[in-house]
Amino acid sequence: NAGVTQTPKFQVLKTGQSMTLQCAQDMNHEYMSWYRQDPGMGLRLIHYSVGAGITDQGEVPNGYNVSRSTTEDFPLRLLSAAPSQTSVYFCASSYRRGGGYTFGSGTRLTVV
Amino acid sequence: GIQVEQSPPDLILQEGANSTLRCNFSDSVNNLQWFHQNPWGQLINLFYIPSGTKQNGRLSATTVATERYSLLYISSSQTTDSGVYFCAVWETSGSRLTFGEGTQLTVNP
Repeated sequence: NAGVTQTPKFQVLKTGQSMTLQCAQDMNHEYMSWYRQDPGMGLRLIHYSVGAGITDQGEVPNGYNVSRSTTEDFPLRLLSAAPSQTSVYFCASSYRRGGGYTFGSGTRLTVV
Repeated sequence: GIQVEQSPPDLILQEGANSTLRCNFSDSVNNLQWFHQNPWGQLINLFYIPSGTKQNGRLSATTVATERYSLLYISSSQTTDSGVYFCAVWETSGSRLTFGEGTQLTVNP
């Protein structure tokens, strides 16, 4: 049982490039979310999904896009990378809204 | 939105010491979770504790929802306990898990 799998683990982008951070879970969890972690600012919610086909914005959604075509996958797209998006990104899933969270191992993204 | 405050922000212990970490929150919550982020960055769910007390080995947690706080107890600390401890809450009327800024714990041998 792999839990929550994030790829890639590390990525360097140039300003203006786009990319997709992948997140997959094999626990049949309905609720999935993306957080970014920056020094001194804790974890902030970017986008979340309460089930396939349903997504919503979190606290810091600008510059990011998500979709949820299957229960298992919840990719995060950076539309045009900016240095302010340099961060560590975590994907998390839960069996229901408000349930116990399981986190992926994170993606460290640097935008130069 | 709900405010989550953790104290202390930093804590340094000698191996074998006990400690208490506190989490205060500003509104009613459906649940509260404690996480440990190890030095390699991995986030591990320690407790799902909307109310009451739970224990897991040397760690225990208590949440008093009516008074809007939770405590995480670490007994006989070990160097492997080092890292950041996060408290996170789910507002009763909300749709997200909101994190505090964490307590950085360093356990020295």
